[in-house]
Amino acid sequence: DSGVTQTPKHLITATGQRVTLRCSPRSGDLSVYWYQQSLDQGLQFLIQYYNGEERAKGNILERFSAQQFPDLHSELNLSSLELGDSALYFCASSVARRTDTQYFGPGTRLTVL
Amino acid sequence: QKEVEQDPGPLSVPEGAIVSLNCTYSNSAFQYFMWYRQYSRKGPELLMYTYSSGNKEDGRFTAQVDKSSKYISLFIRDSQPSDSATYLCAMPAGGTSYGKLTFGQGTILTVHP
Repeated sequence: DSGVTQTPKHLITATGQRVTLRCSPRSGDLSVYWYQQSLDQGLQFLIQYYNGEERAKGNILERFSAQQFPDLHSELNLSSLELGDSALYFCASSVARRTDTQYFGPGTRLTVL
Repeated sequence: QKEVEQDPGPLSVPEGAIVSLNCTYSNSAFQYFMWYRQYSRKGPELLMYTYSSGNKEDGRFTAQVDKSSKYISLFIRDSQPSDSATYLCAMPAGGTSYGKLTFGQGTILTVHP
């Protein structure tokens, strides 16, 4: 158990809908990262927050947004969902702002029908 | 061309075999190198973290980095069925990209008794 929690574990929804994925980092970790894992693209970095501020952005679609709250939990919002958004979404956390050991949560499996 | 290339396998070996997993990369800015292990339906967990060229050993695992060839390897000695998982190499972008990790596609390993 990494100490990173993600909810929900599974999410099934329809195209065009909007969903919110939630992540609680390990106690003491200030950085939160979001990744998408699909069979064809592998594990892709989406976005990083550090202590409430956006710090790095990957190939995150405009339909996706994230935020980190004062209690350091983070939410990833996915809107206007498409079939291709079906994937595993992982949250990771680390202590520092720059690269160091990232601890991954168990993931949220999103299925868009 | 992807920044990090990894043969997805699958790789199937008998218990006790020595396993060699490899990645190549193209970005000279990569300075740190990581290996993650991901069991089915779980989040990735960090196995090894190396910086310099050369070897780093941790139990049955040895990580090898050759920066001149842009080539990294993970060796598993005396492989066990519990080592069956997907192994991902990862490299932090560094610089202004802070915590972004670029992952290889992952190699699926099965160790059969």
